[in-house]
Amino acid sequence: AQTVTQSQPEMSVQEAETVTLSCTYDTSESNYYLFWYKQPPSRQMILVIRQEAYKQQNATENRFSVNFQKAAKSFSLKISDSQLGDTAMYFCAFMYTGANSKLTFGKGITLSVRP
Amino acid sequence: EAGVAQSPRYKIIEKRQSVAFWCNPISGHATLYWYQQILGQGPKLLIQFQNNGVVDDSQLPKDRFSAERLKGVDSTLKIQPAKLEDSAVYLCASSSWEGLNTEAFFGQGTRLTVV
Repeated sequence: AQTVTQSQPEMSVQEAETVTLSCTYDTSESNYYLFWYKQPPSRQMILVIRQEAYKQQNATENRFSVNFQKAAKSFSLKISDSQLGDTAMYFCAFMYTGANSKLTFGKGITLSVRP
Repeated sequence: EAGVAQSPRYKIIEKRQSVAFWCNPISGHATLYWYQQILGQGPKLLIQFQNNGVVDDSQLPKDRFSAERLKGVDSTLKIQPAKLEDSAVYLCASSSWEGLNTEAFFGQGTRLTVV
């Protein structure tokens, strides 16, 4: 079974600065996806970024990028130029690519962006 | 495309009462998930459907929780009788897990309060 660990319960960052959210996972699978989801106070879970394990290149989506270290089973999210709208809970999630695989979430981290 | 629809948004019931939640996934999505999210925690998978068949219900408290997915489309999750510890947000998500843009799309959730 796979597990996802987010050990930082909360972080705070000044607007326009950069912040990194940490995530580690444990799996015996070799083919899988990793995700970062954002959940603002409205509760709508929104995908921020996705990484396929077979890709060596780190995924990037505008101000969001990841540092994927497959051997270390580490998947951190970097948010550049933080904006007030980035304030939310962020969840790291894992899914292997086999049939009927389930999406497993970490406990999440609360990010507050200060004006 | 239309998103995942859930209703109701909020529900308050007394313990030992019953309650039902409804989810309409994105059209064409074969996979449907129900998650329970307790305040301040990550979503916990309750049940996963592939079309109208159950793929994983290992964490569903089957003595009080039940779920069905009629004709592989809409789904209902029922709790009977409810306990205080069932107070949580219940999230429904759907996905096709096909092609390059694989992700799970979430509804806005139903916040259940059991008093």
